[in-house]
Amino acid sequence: DGGITQSPKYLFRKEGQNVTLSCEQNLNHDAMYWYRQDPGQGLRLIYYSQIVNDFQKGDIAEGYSVSREKKESFPLTVTSAQKNPTAFYLCASSLQGARLGYTFGSGTRLTVV
Amino acid sequence: GNSVTQMEGPVTLSEEAFLTINCTYTATGYPSLFWYVQYPGEGLQLLLKATKADDKGSNKGFEATYRKETTSFHLEKGSVQVSDSAVYFCALSNRDDKIIFGKGTRLHILP
Repeated sequence: DGGITQSPKYLFRKEGQNVTLSCEQNLNHDAMYWYRQDPGQGLRLIYYSQIVNDFQKGDIAEGYSVSREKKESFPLTVTSAQKNPTAFYLCASSLQGARLGYTFGSGTRLTVV
Repeated sequence: GNSVTQMEGPVTLSEEAFLTINCTYTATGYPSLFWYVQYPGEGLQLLLKATKADDKGSNKGFEATYRKETTSFHLEKGSVQVSDSAVYFCALSNRDDKIIFGKGTRLHILP
C-alpha cells in the first residue's frame, strides 16, 4: 500500500545538536510539506516543496532547513538555531496541489533536553 | 488573507448524541474546504472535503456543507460513538497550494 513514512516516531536530542527528521512517500505525489504542531496552536507550515530541487519557506522556517533531491524524500533538519524545537512534526504530500487535500504521515515527536 | 476559525474545545458529549463543530473561514474566491481528524499520537486523516459552493462532503456518518453565503463549513454527525473521540481540524486551500488549518477541536464522547 502507498503512503508516507516518517521516522523515527520518537526522537530525543540534547540542546545545541542538529537533528534530521525523515519523510518518504511512495504515492508519486509531486508536492511535500512539513508542519509543526504544538498544543493549542494547530498546525503551522515550516517548508514546502512542489517539485524536486525546489522548496519554499512557510510561516515558521527560521531554525529549520530542508532538501528535495528526490521526488520521494523531503527530510527536515532542526538546527540549533531553532529556539524551541520540542514539538510534534508532521509531513504531508499532495498529488495535484493542495485543493484535493493532503496525505499525512504519522508524525515524529521531537524532544530536546 | 486566508484563515479558518473553529469552535474551541473540548466538546464533551454522551454516546448517540448529535454533534456539531462550527467552522467559518475567510478567503478570496472559492477555496476548497476540508475536515481532518487526528487520533492520539497519530497524523491527520482526511475526513471529508468540498471543493465548490453548496457541495456536501460526507464520510463515516459525518457531513459538512460548503456555505458560501455564510462562509461556513460546519461538521455534523447524527449519533456519535466513543470511537469518534479525537481532535477535528477544519482547513482550507486557496490558490497558493497550501492548506491552512484551524486550531482544532478536541471531542470527548462518554459511554
